[in-house]
Amino acid sequence: QVQLVQSGAEVKKPGASVKVSCKASGYTFTSYGISWVRQAPGQGLEWMGWISAYNGNTNYAQKLQGRVTMTTDTSTSTAYMELRSLRSDDTAVYYCARDRGLVVPAVVDYWGQGTLVTVSS
Amino acid sequence: EIVLTQSPGTLSLSPGERATLSCRASQSVSSSYLAWYQQKPGQAPRLLIYGASSRATGIPDRFSGSGSGTDFTLTISRLEPEDFAVYYCQQYGSSPTFGQGTKVEIK
Repeated sequence: QVQLVQSGAEVKKPGASVKVSCKASGYTFTSYGISWVRQAPGQGLEWMGWISAYNGNTNYAQKLQGRVTMTTDTSTSTAYMELRSLRSDDTAVYYCARDRGLVVPAVVDYWGQGTLVTVSS
Repeated sequence: EIVLTQSPGTLSLSPGERATLSCRASQSVSSSYLAWYQQKPGQAPRLLIYGASSRATGIPDRFSGSGSGTDFTLTISRLEPEDFAVYYCQQYGSSPTFGQGTKVEIK
């Protein structure tokens, strides 16, 4: 069965960086993309960006351009999301999700369990 | 960026009743690239509907989606106790965006 297992919770200081991992299993990793979505406490869902696991092409949300980098390691079927220059409003649960889009972002059909990132001095 | 506006913000209904949730886009959503997700407290979202009207694997047929262009609807024909949750629409035809969510609560 399709599974996405994310790394554990993180606490970071403002200005620091965080890197969240997402290990996929149960499907052919390079036949799909991975999208990242975050959810601030008590708030809605925010799409952060997408990466094609086939060729590494990316598409980032405009508001995060320059602060976020998404990568994949096809040898371990793992996706990574790094967010830099953290601020308090980056405190959120970060989700990875399998994206049906291989060339452009599409619908996401399986989700990881989420990783809580807390930014606090 | 396409802005999605969901209404109502909260829907108070009883089990067995019909729920109708709306999602309106600020511009046309290409090729009906519109999805609906359900999220329960402390859980990741779950895909219900994609392509505006296609049910995802394992989703009961009491869930149905309709619409095109800028107006989309999720209908739950008869609410079951497990259906009380928050529902989000998402467009993925352009740079993806989510609506702000509709909470379906027990009346």
